[in-house]
Amino acid sequence: SQQGEEDPQALSIQEGENATMNCSYKTSINNLQWYRQNSGRGLVHLILIRSNEREKHSGRLRVTLDTSKKSSSLLITASRAADTASYFCATDAGYTDKLIFGTGTRLQVFP
Amino acid sequence: GAVVSQHPSRVICKSGTSVKIECRSLDFQATTMFWYRQFPKQSLMLMATSNEGSKATYEQGVEKDKFLINHASLTLSTLTVTSAHPEDSSFYICSARELAETQYFGPGTRLLVL
Repeated sequence: SQQGEEDPQALSIQEGENATMNCSYKTSINNLQWYRQNSGRGLVHLILIRSNEREKHSGRLRVTLDTSKKSSSLLITASRAADTASYFCATDAGYTDKLIFGTGTRLQVFP
Repeated sequence: GAVVSQHPSRVICKSGTSVKIECRSLDFQATTMFWYRQFPKQSLMLMATSNEGSKATYEQGVEKDKFLINHASLTLSTLTVTSAHPEDSSFYICSARELAETQYFGPGTRLLVL
């Protein structure tokens, strides 16, 4: 399977703490994207990082990409209860227009 | 960001019937639309890619005669689950892409086949 893997599978933290999720993938990529999914809902696009970028910020989100290790991380700083959701990384599967999703991390932020 | 809608949001049907799910891009023209399936607490699995005016490209293991996809216009794609069975019960999500890399996802359709 081409599916990427994320760890941890589940993460529980207190409000105000930082949450870090990691994603590993298998093929060469053009870009990597992170999505958020609230329970039973669709996906919300968070951030896209290209293969020639190493780090990208968007508000409380920080994404890193290491193409040599085929891995990416998503850091959410100063987490809030509203950040509770599942987070997925997705790669463009070797320069095709398909997205290959990782297994996801379920984040629970306790108030 | 761009808005994608899905209809219905949930549907319950009897085994053997067919169910149609619509996916619309509301404020942009989608050159490509994608259909995914998601089981509880699992990731999204791509079922097929559809381009306006051409036949859909199905992923390995997805039955094209069971999951009929029509992309009739630049703003509408439909997925029809034919002769649905309980094992087809799942969360179906579509996404749409204009020209850039970002895919915008619909809110999903929960299908329950009794």
